[in-house]
Amino acid sequence: DIQMTQSPASLSASLGETISIECRASEDIYSNLAWYQQKSGKSPQLLIYAANRLQDGVPSRFSGSGSGTQYSLKISGMQPEDEGDYFCLQGSKFPPLTFGSGTKLEIK
Amino acid sequence: QVQLKETGPGLVQPTQTLSITCTVSGFSLTSYYMQWVRQTPGKGLEWMGFIRSGGSTEYNSEFKSRLSISRDTSKNQVFLKMNSLKTEDTGVYYCARSLPGYNYYFDYWGQGVMVTVSS
Repeated sequence: DIQMTQSPASLSASLGETISIECRASEDIYSNLAWYQQKSGKSPQLLIYAANRLQDGVPSRFSGSGSGTQYSLKISGMQPEDEGDYFCLQGSKFPPLTFGSGTKLEIK
Repeated sequence: QVQLKETGPGLVQPTQTLSITCTVSGFSLTSYYMQWVRQTPGKGLEWMGFIRSGGSTEYNSEFKSRLSISRDTSKNQVFLKMNSLKTEDTGVYYCARSLPGYNYYFDYWGQGVMVTVSS
């Protein structure tokens, strides 16, 4: 199984700050990676797929990058509504599809 | 308008069988993969399995032979059945639809159903 190592586990950011969250795969996943945001008590929402494609309706301050085994999600200008948990998901090799362990993002 | 809604028992006793129904609207089950994902305190988000648009299935081996996913396209429903439940199976169970053209990304999710395994 492909293991997804996500970092950091938690992050505190000021409004307007730019932040990055990383996911490292245990082997090459050929950009088959998605990023999700989950707010408290809600279902996950798709932000980015295929490593760098912005899902419809997602603000352009979210962006994804990476290749091979290393991927990142960037939020350019933290907003109050960006608080929540963030997860990566690899869709390269299955079964199983595998999620990262998550990053808790809070406002400082 | 795409909608997904899970319904299930809430409380299940250890060793018993969990049955959850995902009722969908706004799209056809014969055009999309449908996934089951759960979120537990112990393991976070776990992909459980999916049923392809053609009806075949794939499962996470973590659940070995305990898990079964099926559907009734006439009723727009997808089913999850998992037997031999343990307390560690307590969590929120979600169904999700695949993103058009990308079978392994999920764009629409149900609201989830909380399942507690306890005697």
